[in-house]
Amino acid sequence: KNQVEQSPQSLIILEGKNCTLQCNYTVSPFSNLRWYKQDTGRGPVSLTIMTFSENTKSNGRYTATLDADTKQSSLHITASQLSDSASYICVVRGATNKLIFGTGTLLAVQP
Amino acid sequence: GAVVSQHPSWVICKSGTSVKIECRSLDFQATTMFWYRQFPKQSLMLMATSNEGSKATYEQGVEKDKFLINHASLTLSTLTVTSAHPEDSSFYICSASSAVGDYGYTFGSGTRLTVV
Repeated sequence: KNQVEQSPQSLIILEGKNCTLQCNYTVSPFSNLRWYKQDTGRGPVSLTIMTFSENTKSNGRYTATLDADTKQSSLHITASQLSDSASYICVVRGATNKLIFGTGTLLAVQP
Repeated sequence: GAVVSQHPSWVICKSGTSVKIECRSLDFQATTMFWYRQFPKQSLMLMATSNEGSKATYEQGVEKDKFLINHASLTLSTLTVTSAHPEDSSFYICSASSAVGDYGYTFGSGTRLTVV
């Protein structure tokens, strides 16, 4: 069964600290993996997209990694800011046009 | 970059009335548009997939007569919630994908529907 699981479910960190979010998937065949940031009451905004051959991709303070062999991905946030408080969703695309969504990690950055 | 505009951002309607939500791709042609529903603290749930000029494909459990989807052009898709009831209150999000370019799966800003 195609699934995407994320951990932790929620996370609280202090402003300026780093954090890493995890994503494990069982989607097969695999096309690509995206990390999205979703602010409360808003639509998801793409942070990174990675294909099978890519191991790491950065977007500012966000760095995503992908291990296609173990079917794991991580999103590392450096020097967190209050505005990073949001839900982070790992999304995997398989063979079809449909996306498989993770349950998300709710991040709260406190001053 | 690719932009998907969704309107309205929030709407309150009376039970029994119908509500239309628009989703527009502003700078690219969206051959496929997707409609999602999201309940609080849950992830997005795909409701239906629509390709321009053809009937939408609905996910299991989604009533096609209640959630009418129209994708008449390459830049506009609409979702109409007919005879809305309080249990239809939710956050509705669209996304658009183009067959060319790397826009794929750009989401709209969402519509908060509250049925009273």
